[in-house]
Amino acid sequence: IAGITQAPTSQILAAGRRMTLRCTQDMRHNAMYWYRQDLGLGLRLIHYSNTAGTTGKGEVPDGYSVSRANTDDFPLTLASAVPSQTSVYFCASSDGTGNPAFFGQGTRLTVV
Amino acid sequence: AQSVTQLDSQVPVFEEAPVELRCNYSSSVSVYLFWYVQYPNQGLQLLLKYLSGSTLVKGINGFEAEFNKSQTSFHLRKPSVHISDTAEYFCAVRTTGNQFYFGTGTSLTVIP
Repeated sequence: IAGITQAPTSQILAAGRRMTLRCTQDMRHNAMYWYRQDLGLGLRLIHYSNTAGTTGKGEVPDGYSVSRANTDDFPLTLASAVPSQTSVYFCASSDGTGNPAFFGQGTRLTVV
Repeated sequence: AQSVTQLDSQVPVFEEAPVELRCNYSSSVSVYLFWYVQYPNQGLQLLLKYLSGSTLVKGINGFEAEFNKSQTSFHLRKPSVHISDTAEYFCAVRTTGNQFYFGTGTSLTVIP
């Protein structure tokens, strides 16, 4: 693994189903983030974690939950997917010292 | 509240012409500023960053940006664009809480 790995790369999901998007980083970064990217809206922060064991809400947290059991992993869960959650989801991490965030390649999720 | 405004959603420019992509940020945010580039179907890559020091920062691929505190701007420039510069460009700020917030993006299209 080099950098940030997201899985799956794409998924079609029936509305009402539960789904977990996975994110793993091998840079030992303290901070991790989940964004969704929608046309015309740019990237919007869903949830973040500044260190293992802590999480916080971003701009659009409703319908999503996260956990940070260890430094490397930061899964994003949709408890009951709705079509408005169709989007491209990006995981990112940073070392928390002012350096930039590094991004994964994204997960394209379609809720039908 | 923190905010980032990218004033132009689409910028067409002829090959070898100069380009400026505009970004303004709200004065309440930390002045850690970044520009990212996103090529089709890929994640975001860092172009350049401003953390402190010289207000003119140089990045990869011949891009540069100037931090202007009085105008709360961080415009991205390149003196001569290439076809390969066609991409989506995002301006971002890092807050004191270590969160990254993004603008809505500017789609740069380089015309042969």
